[in-house]
Amino acid sequence: DAGVIQSPRHEVTEMGQEVTLRCKPISGHDYLFWYRQTMMRGLELLIYFNNNVPIDDSGMPEDRFSAKMPNASFSTLKIQPSEPRDSAVYFCANSGNTGELFFGEGSRLTVL
Amino acid sequence: RKEVEQDPGPFNVPEGATVAFNCTYSNSASQSFFWYRQDCRKEPKLLMSVYSSGNEDGRFTAQLNRASQYISLLIRDSKLSDSATYLCVVPAEGGGADGLTFGKGTHLIIQP
Repeated sequence: DAGVIQSPRHEVTEMGQEVTLRCKPISGHDYLFWYRQTMMRGLELLIYFNNNVPIDDSGMPEDRFSAKMPNASFSTLKIQPSEPRDSAVYFCANSGNTGELFFGEGSRLTVL
Repeated sequence: RKEVEQDPGPFNVPEGATVAFNCTYSNSASQSFFWYRQDCRKEPKLLMSVYSSGNEDGRFTAQLNRASQYISLLIRDSKLSDSATYLCVVPAEGGGADGLTFGKGTHLIIQP
C-alpha cells in the first residue's frame, strides 16, 4: 500500500482564489482526518470522517472551508475564497482499528 | 492548564548524551498516550505508544505519571538522526483516534 497520498504537495495562490486539496486514503482504514499545522497553533483537527460520513467539523474555522468524502478512496478540502491567514500545511490522516494515525506528506499552502 | 503542553525547546544536545522531555496534559480520564516524531518539512509518524506506567523500545523510554498528569520521553545514546520535533498526543476519554489532541512539539537538535 502506498500510504496516504495528498495533492498538491505545494500550492501558491492569490487571496480570493479557490483552493482544493485532495487526499487518497489507505484502503480499509475507516477514519479520515484533515489537520492544519502552523508554527503558532501547531496541529489542529479541522474535520474527520468515519466510513465517509462527516462526524465532527467543529474545527473548521469558517464557512469558507468545506470538506467532502464522496467515497472511501477520496476526500477533498476546499477553501473558497482563500485568505493569507489560511497559509499552512494541511495534512490528511487515516486511522484503522489500532488508533495509530497515518499521515500523508501534507499540502503546503501559501496564500499571497 | 492547557490540554497538552510541551516545552518547545529547542533542546541542543551533544551526540551520545541522554535527553528527556516532558508533556503535561489536563484530561485526567485519558488512558493511553502517544509520542509522534516529525522531521523537518515531513509528516508526523508514530514513535511510541504509552500505556499503564510506561514503554521501552531500544534507546527510547516513555513513562507515564498519572498522579502528576505528565508523560516523558527519554532518549539514550542520542544519534544525529534523532534530531526532530517530538509531538505528545493525548486522546479523549474514549481513547480513539477521533479524540486526539496534539501538543505543539519539542524541537530536539543533536549536535556532532
